[in-house]
Amino acid sequence: GQNIDQPTEMTATEGAIVQINCTYQTSGFNGLFWYQQHAGEAPTFLSYNVLDGLEEKGRFSSFLSRSKGYSYLLLKELQMKDSASYLCAVMDSNYQLIWGAGTKLIIKP
Amino acid sequence: IAGITQAPTSQILAAGRRMTLRCTQDMRHNAMYWYRQDLGLGLRLIHYSNTAGTTGKGEVPDGYSVSRANTDDFPLTLASAVPSQTSVYFCASSSGIPTDTQYFGPGTRLTVL
Repeated sequence: GQNIDQPTEMTATEGAIVQINCTYQTSGFNGLFWYQQHAGEAPTFLSYNVLDGLEEKGRFSSFLSRSKGYSYLLLKELQMKDSASYLCAVMDSNYQLIWGAGTKLIIKP
Repeated sequence: IAGITQAPTSQILAAGRRMTLRCTQDMRHNAMYWYRQDLGLGLRLIHYSNTAGTTGKGEVPDGYSVSRANTDDFPLTLASAVPSQTSVYFCASSSGIPTDTQYFGPGTRLTVL
């Protein structure tokens, strides 16, 4: 079967750095997406990786290793507004997104 | 530009009733999707449409139907609601290029009693 694993919850301090990991086993691979979802709101797009390596976008970076079935989202200089759930999703061979259950990130002052 | 709108925002429904969730996008996107989101689970695809006039089944299609009469609208119908369909429903759209970003509507919170 297809599976996306990410930690259920993480806690970090304002101003610090946090890394949210995602491992996947899917039938085929056409890229990995990270979305942010604030409580009660819609998911919003953060990043897309299809090749190995690090993609940097401001305070957020995303890394992919296809051989290891592994990705992480790195958030720097954490702000209180970064408190949200972070969803990892892999596009499979049918071009359908397979979603992880999300990681709830709690930022403490 | 509104992006994607969904209606209603929330609804409480008696089991056995018929319900249509509405979704409209103004981005001229070819592809549209319906997901449900349940606590502790990832988003699960119910139905999708790659272009107007075509639809396909996702991971959890049973009990749901969709239509795509035009580019903008993609309604989701529950023919006879059951309590297990209590969930938050998200509509999404994308350009139609398979790996393009999906953009989500604000969601409909549905409770079936």
